[in-house]
Amino acid sequence: QKEVEQNSGPLSVPEGAIASLNCTYSDRGSQSFFWYRQYSGKSPELIMFIYSNGDKEDGRFTAQLNKASQYVSLLIRDSQPSDSATYLCAPSGATNKLIFGTGTLLAVQP
Amino acid sequence: ETGVTQTPRHLVMGMTNKKSLKCEQHLGHNAMYWYKQSAKKPLELMFVYSLEERVENNSVPSRFSPECPNSSHLFLHLHTLQPEDSALYLCASSQAGNTEAFFGQGTRLTVV
Repeated sequence: QKEVEQNSGPLSVPEGAIASLNCTYSDRGSQSFFWYRQYSGKSPELIMFIYSNGDKEDGRFTAQLNKASQYVSLLIRDSQPSDSATYLCAPSGATNKLIFGTGTLLAVQP
Repeated sequence: ETGVTQTPRHLVMGMTNKKSLKCEQHLGHNAMYWYKQSAKKPLELMFVYSLEERVENNSVPSRFSPECPNSSHLFLHLHTLQPEDSALYLCASSQAGNTEAFFGQGTRLTVV
């Protein structure tokens, strides 16, 4: 089993729709969860983090965490073409180091 | 200027060459990281320096040699690389014990 699993996509959504990105992880010791956005040819950029079970909202982004199910998700409301990128899920792991998934490619269609 | 700066942005080297990648952070962080990103693979953590001490080496071949002379600078010395080492090499920094990491723009390395 991979440490962090993400659907590689591409996930295609129309402009203005909600994009839902999912991630499961294997390390039950993970305490912190990060979402990074990576545009093609660029480096990852931190967009959200969540530590507690439940939802955390920041503008158009909502992170959801369920530690019992070892599941974390990112919702993007009112998706824009500029949101088209690869989204990387990164739990911290029991050793407090970021463990990255392969990422989900999101394509927002105008 | 970004908080984490990497040079060069692109590097092509032969298998017998020696080169170095440089990373500099202006965020006041005291932990720095080297990651490797290959196509279709997750980001792989290579080395971690915390408070200028190497605290993690994830079974990286000895042809990669890191150096951290101070908390703001990190180097990755390369020698006798293989074509499969071609990848994007990313530097990141954070506060020690805090996993919220900030990345540099990366060095695209091609080994020929």
